[in-house]
Amino acid sequence: EDQVTQSPEALRLQEGESSSLNCSYTVSGLRGLFWYRQDPGKGPEFLFTLYSAGEEKEKERLKATLTKKESFLHITAPKPEDSATYLCAVQGGSNDYKLSFGAGTTVTVRA
Amino acid sequence: DTEVTQTPKHLVMGMTNKKSLKCEQHMGHRAMYWYKQKAKKPPELMFVYSYEKLSINESVPSRFSPECPNSSLLNLHLHALQPEDSALYLCASSPILGVNEQFFGPGTRLTVL
Repeated sequence: EDQVTQSPEALRLQEGESSSLNCSYTVSGLRGLFWYRQDPGKGPEFLFTLYSAGEEKEKERLKATLTKKESFLHITAPKPEDSATYLCAVQGGSNDYKLSFGAGTTVTVRA
Repeated sequence: DTEVTQTPKHLVMGMTNKKSLKCEQHMGHRAMYWYKQKAKKPPELMFVYSYEKLSINESVPSRFSPECPNSSLLNLHLHALQPEDSALYLCASSPILGVNEQFFGPGTRLTVL
């Protein structure tokens, strides 16, 4: 069964203080790794899809990278509006429908 | 239009009530999903529809009944729910089943009294 572990559980940052979130995964044949952002009481917002080791994607202050065992979400010079829970999910093997989610990392950025 | 919409935003119901949640997307996606999310937990998959047919039921109790009237609409009918069913119910869609991102709606916050 696919497993996803995210660390840390919570991250408190000062505005402008760059940091990284980790997503470690165990999957039989990665088909895709997905990053989502979720604000309290709202649905997850899609950020990135990564398919193979070495792949990188960027969007504003966020950059996602992928290795064979983990993915990192780098937040560069964060702003208070980057405060949210960031969810990592994988789809693997012969599964063509199910996303296995990690528990998420809650990021709080103080002004 | 890259949006999934859900109604209502909030729903309070008694254990003997019957209610329905609605989801709509106009992105031409042919796969649609229902998820349940409890506080501080990740979403849990409930049902998957592909080309308007139920493909996956993740052992969900029969008090939850999904329906897909057409390729843009997805309903979740609720009957005789329990207080522990209180949660955020999320709808999502993707172009087809397979390796592609799922786009989520804003959710319906359900409270069962």
